[in-house]
Amino acid sequence: DTGVSQNPRHKITKRGQNVTFRCDPISEHNRLYWYRQTLGQGPEFLTYFQNEAQLEKSRLLSDRFSAERPKGSFSTLEIQRTEQGDSAMYLCASSLSERDPNEQYFGPGTRLTVT
Amino acid sequence: GDSVTQMEGPVTLSEEAFLTINCTYTATGYPSLFWYVQYPGEGLQLLLKATKADDKGSNKGFEATYRKETTSFHLEKGSVQVSDSAVYFCALTPAYGQNFVFGPGTRLSVLP
Repeated sequence: DTGVSQNPRHKITKRGQNVTFRCDPISEHNRLYWYRQTLGQGPEFLTYFQNEAQLEKSRLLSDRFSAERPKGSFSTLEIQRTEQGDSAMYLCASSLSERDPNEQYFGPGTRLTVT
Repeated sequence: GDSVTQMEGPVTLSEEAFLTINCTYTATGYPSLFWYVQYPGEGLQLLLKATKADDKGSNKGFEATYRKETTSFHLEKGSVQVSDSAVYFCALTPAYGQNFVFGPGTRLSVLP
């Protein structure tokens, strides 16, 4: 399968713990995006990378959230000191800027439950 | 800021019925418009798109026309199938910017 993959698919954690999610984009895609989706809502943009550079961050991305893409390939999203309000589906997407940066391909998501 | 509004669901139709899911947007300039679909247990998939006024996007029997005068991008299909049951999201990318703005989604259930 050459699509976008995300791990883990599900994560249950206790409030106050740190969690880290991983996204592997389509191999030739240089742009990578993170979104958050809560139940009954559409995805909300969090941040995006072009290669290893983080170019845009949403105000939704509080200082407890950090994302990295150290070698311009896979990316990680870390949430520190999780809160119940962080419970959501975290989606990753990738695109190729030279072809059509707006044609984003989404992964299956990581569902986070904070108890 | 930019926003997308969709008709509330769920929408329940019988097989072979005509489908319309309304979508309107608020944005400065000329955004690109998209419909994404999310089948049960799967990730979001691009269904169709339109990048300028009066463009029509089409795929798998679905169509949507970019109407600048009414700021709309309604999704239509002439004859739905049970396999079309999914959640449909209208979205835009701003004229200047990279991030998507999604609507809340409309759940479609097609009964045999």
